[in-house]
Amino acid sequence: DGGITQSPKYLFRKEGQNVTLSCEQNLNHDAMYWYRQDPGQGLRLIYYSQIVNDFQKGDIAEGYSVSREKKESFPLTVTSAQKNPTAFYLCASSNFVGAVSYEQYFGPGTRLTVT
Amino acid sequence: AQSVSQHNHHVILSEAASLELGCNYSYGGTVNLFWYVQYPGQHLQLLLKYFSGDPLVKGIKGFEAEFIKSKFSFNLRKPSVQWSDTAEYFCAVKGSNYQLIWGAGTKLIIKP
Repeated sequence: DGGITQSPKYLFRKEGQNVTLSCEQNLNHDAMYWYRQDPGQGLRLIYYSQIVNDFQKGDIAEGYSVSREKKESFPLTVTSAQKNPTAFYLCASSNFVGAVSYEQYFGPGTRLTVT
Repeated sequence: AQSVSQHNHHVILSEAASLELGCNYSYGGTVNLFWYVQYPGQHLQLLLKYFSGDPLVKGIKGFEAEFIKSKFSFNLRKPSVQWSDTAEYFCAVKGSNYQLIWGAGTKLIIKP
């Protein structure tokens, strides 16, 4: 079954701790993305990667970090520098090289609560 | 700046009513347009897309959308909604760096 896996579904952390959210895809997609979803604000892009070992900041990258060491994996670390980390985080992937259409496929999301 | 505007944040309809959700975008390049849907507790999933050809595109579950280039619009329609259409709907457009630019979403509630 092809798709995107995010784990865990719910995550709780204390303020001041870094936390890493997992994202794995077996769709053989080149590009992967991390979004943050807050009520009434749509999806805001945190980081994206169009190729292994390369990634770019999105609109709200401050306080987050990523790595892309393997094509299928794109973990997101929420650092203690992120001022308002409690949110729903979505991972997505898409074709990129030679693509005709750039639709993105989404994982189930991770709801992070920081207290 | 590239942007996507969804006109209504909340829409409440009765079953069998017709639906039209507005989406306008500002982007002058090659157009890739999308509507996504997020049912309660489920993944965000693609409803339909436009990238070339017939400007009237049909998607899953009886939804359709019309690309009107002169109006920079890509409105979503369904002639008769069902209770199961209760969800949040997002419009998106491919931006200049191949990323998707998202609207704020429209929460649709269908009263049985």
